[in-house]
Amino acid sequence: KAGVTQTPRYLIKTRGQQVTLSCSPISGHRSVSWYQQTPGQGLQFLFEYFSETQRNKGNFPGRFSGRQFSNSRSEMNVSTLELGDSALYLCASSLSFRGAYYNEQFFGPGTRLTVL
Amino acid sequence: AQSVTQPDIHITVSEGASLELRCNYSYGATPYLFWYVQSPGQGLQLLLKYFSGDTLVQGIKGFEAEFKRSQSSFNLRKPSVHWSDAAEYFCAVYDYKLSFGAGTTVTVRA
Repeated sequence: KAGVTQTPRYLIKTRGQQVTLSCSPISGHRSVSWYQQTPGQGLQFLFEYFSETQRNKGNFPGRFSGRQFSNSRSEMNVSTLELGDSALYLCASSLSFRGAYYNEQFFGPGTRLTVL
Repeated sequence: AQSVTQPDIHITVSEGASLELRCNYSYGATPYLFWYVQSPGQGLQLLLKYFSGDTLVQGIKGFEAEFKRSQSSFNLRKPSVHWSDAAEYFCAVYDYKLSFGAGTTVTVRA
């Protein structure tokens, strides 16, 4: 079974631009979560999508947004890029059984975003 | 808020020696705790998890962790380290999302 895939793997942008990252979950998984990893702040939760709805949100500015499609694929968008947005963006998918408190998250390899 | 702390930023260990990585958690109830490993250029791989029950948890790649409520700890151990264990290790707690510690980088010397 294929794992979580993220595209592109590497991206270089300049300040002020916007960027869209894509995540394809494991087949059958309905939840997608996004995390930002930086040397200074470590791994931080951005948001989670389930059935095309944002279910949980971390403490990030509104420049960070996401969406999920009917096939569970997810995209995240960062507008008006800042130097501090340079990071590894990780996506994780899970089955998300109804009523289950926890569903194991499987991580993709990440997208490395560099903002110049 | 639920959180985990990893006191050691970097650990160097000789191949074949034992390894112990520390993790302390802050959580009111019984926490859902995890250890993940990240190799360079890779995503996160789950090593093991603890929800309840037996406080000694076995994971993949020969790792184990022990949950100690009295010490609010969930330390990761491996009896004999291989060169391929060189990576960054993250402890995490789950509360509708994963909250990670700062990570511990493990270097294995020959």
